[in-house]
Amino acid sequence: QVQLVESGGGVVQSGGSLRLSCATSGFTFRSYNMHWVRQAPGKGLEWVAFVWHDEHDKWYADSVKGRFTISRDNSKNTLFLQMNSLRPEDTAMYYCAKDNTAWAFDYWGQGTLVTVSS
Amino acid sequence: QSALTQPPSASGSPGQSVTISCTGTSSDVGGYNHVSWYQQHPGKAPRLIIYEVIRRPSGVPDRFSGSKSGNTASLIVSGLQAEDEADYYCNSQAGTSSWVFGGGTKLTVL
Repeated sequence: QVQLVESGGGVVQSGGSLRLSCATSGFTFRSYNMHWVRQAPGKGLEWVAFVWHDEHDKWYADSVKGRFTISRDNSKNTLFLQMNSLRPEDTAMYYCAKDNTAWAFDYWGQGTLVTVSS
Repeated sequence: QSALTQPPSASGSPGQSVTISCTGTSSDVGGYNHVSWYQQHPGKAPRLIIYEVIRRPSGVPDRFSGSKSGNTASLIVSGLQAEDEADYYCNSQAGTSSWVFGGGTKLTVL
């Protein structure tokens, strides 16, 4: 079965950096595009970033452009999110999600919590 | 990109039908047939229940259906059951390289 397991969250000071990982299994990772989606405490979902299966292009929400970098290692079936210049408003649960090739997110991890203190 | 507009709450009694709307613009909902819906129970990850406006992933009950007219998409939950009580989010393609979510709707089964 498809599994996505995020890790790397924690508490960081404003201006700091974190690197999130998402280990995947149960599907051919190298064939699928992937996303990061976040949810601030008590708030709604926000799409963050997208990477093509072969990394030939990456797309970002305006709110994180220039600060976050999405990447992947197809040899290790793992997705990453490098987060720099973190702000308190980046505090959220971060989910990795598999793209279903129809602009939807068909499998999600359980999330990893990032807290940015001011 | 502004969030899509959903009603904050909706409710219905067991067995009834409820419709949740999702309003965007011609740059997102109205411009593409890539509208999806997600169900999220408290403390859990979201679950895909509708994609491409009307399609259901395998394992999703046919009580869940979707539609779209102009810039507004809708999720219809028929034959409400207690386990349908959850938050529901719509999502749409927004241009050629981004996605946008709705603010979410809390569905209460009375």
